[in-house]
Amino acid sequence: AQKVTQAQTEISVVEKEDVTLDCVYETRDTTYYLFWYKQPPSGELVFLIRRNSFDEQNEISGRYSWNFQKSTSSFNFTITASQVVDSAVYFCALTHDKAAGNKLTFGGGTRVLVKP
Amino acid sequence: ETGVTQTPRHLVMGMTNKKSLKCEQHLGHNAMYWYKQSAKKPLELMFVYSLEERVENNSVPSRFSPECPNSSHLFLHLHTLQPEDSALYLCASSHLNSPLGPDTQYFGPGTRLTVL
Repeated sequence: AQKVTQAQTEISVVEKEDVTLDCVYETRDTTYYLFWYKQPPSGELVFLIRRNSFDEQNEISGRYSWNFQKSTSSFNFTITASQVVDSAVYFCALTHDKAAGNKLTFGGGTRVLVKP
Repeated sequence: ETGVTQTPRHLVMGMTNKKSLKCEQHLGHNAMYWYKQSAKKPLELMFVYSLEERVENNSVPSRFSPECPNSSHLFLHLHTLQPEDSALYLCASSHLNSPLGPDTQYFGPGTRLTVL
């Protein structure tokens, strides 16, 4: 069985602060895929990143960076110099090669509130 | 970004009504998904269609009836719903599995359903 845990339910920061969102996963599969999605108040889940289990290279995209640590089964997400537009709920998700119907297992989400 | 659209965006219905949710994708994908997002539960996969055939049905009550007439359109027909069915219903689409593994799912903005 797969499981994704996002222990932080809500994080509140002031604009320009950095914020790190934790994601811990459990899986028995050797090949798996991790995702982060952003859900702004409008409701749509916006795809941010996909990471394959065999690629442990960390990634930076603008103010976003991701730290994949296979040894601790974590895939953490950092927003640098946060902005009000970053306010949203962020979801970490997991799937694997043999997941029926490409089923994504989602974490509970972390709500980020960036105050001006 | 209007890759995946959903209508209506908001729906209020009584328990005896029959209504339908519509999803359309413009990304050239051949797999489509229905998810349910309740206030206190993680995102739940309801149905998966691959090449217009249902490949996954996650023990969803029969009062929810999906239909996929072609690879671009997906419907969710609703009848005799319960108040606990009130939730955000999200549609997603993706390519079928590629050599790189399960393809990324792209989501629509969702339909906010309220059952009175």
